[in-house]
Amino acid sequence: DAGVIQSPRHEVTEMGQEVTLRCKPISGHNSLFWYRQTMMRGLELLIYFNNNVPIDDSGMPEDRFSAKMPNASFSTLKIQPSEPRDSAVYFCASSFEPGPKFLFFGSGTQLSVL
Amino acid sequence: AQTVTQSQPEMSVQEAETVTLSCTYDTSENNYYLFWYKQPPSRQMILVIRQEAYKQQNATENRFSVNFQKAAKSFSLKISDSQLGDTAMYFCAFMKGGANSKLTFGKGITLSVRP
Repeated sequence: DAGVIQSPRHEVTEMGQEVTLRCKPISGHNSLFWYRQTMMRGLELLIYFNNNVPIDDSGMPEDRFSAKMPNASFSTLKIQPSEPRDSAVYFCASSFEPGPKFLFFGSGTQLSVL
Repeated sequence: AQTVTQSQPEMSVQEAETVTLSCTYDTSENNYYLFWYKQPPSRQMILVIRQEAYKQQNATENRFSVNFQKAAKSFSLKISDSQLGDTAMYFCAFMKGGANSKLTFGKGITLSVRP
């Protein structure tokens, strides 16, 4: 299995631009999570899906952030417009519910907003 | 809400020595899981070890073992025979049992293994 695949690995953009991060979960997994990692706040859960349905989006910072999961094998996290404070590493993770209760993480996307 | 606390921001250990990383958590749940994840400089999040709260026996994975004290809500990680490749950030994490559960992380600790 290829694991959780995220793209791009690095993204540099200018303030005000739209940014789209992509994630392909492990085949057969039905739960998908988006986390953000910063030095100040550590690892924060932004949103998670179960069977393609958003279950908890209380961690999404504001309306500039949106996430979709149109099918079981693909999810996007979009920031529009982006701001310098959005600079962080964004991780996608997947798991199987009900299952052994642990998450497999992708390699993350390093986002820099100038 | 659950909280996970890692009070030590960083630690250092000599190669081949043993080191213990501390973690405490707060929850009113009785069914839950605890984890230690490792994040090396490559940024990849790697599962090190997992403990089910209903199990009294401490989990062990090769050189990694935990000391799970349920009453004290403590979950420390012991790394024996430390290796240079153990240099990384280590995160303690909590997940409640049941459906639609999410992983809550501590702030992490930076571990440096000295040659």
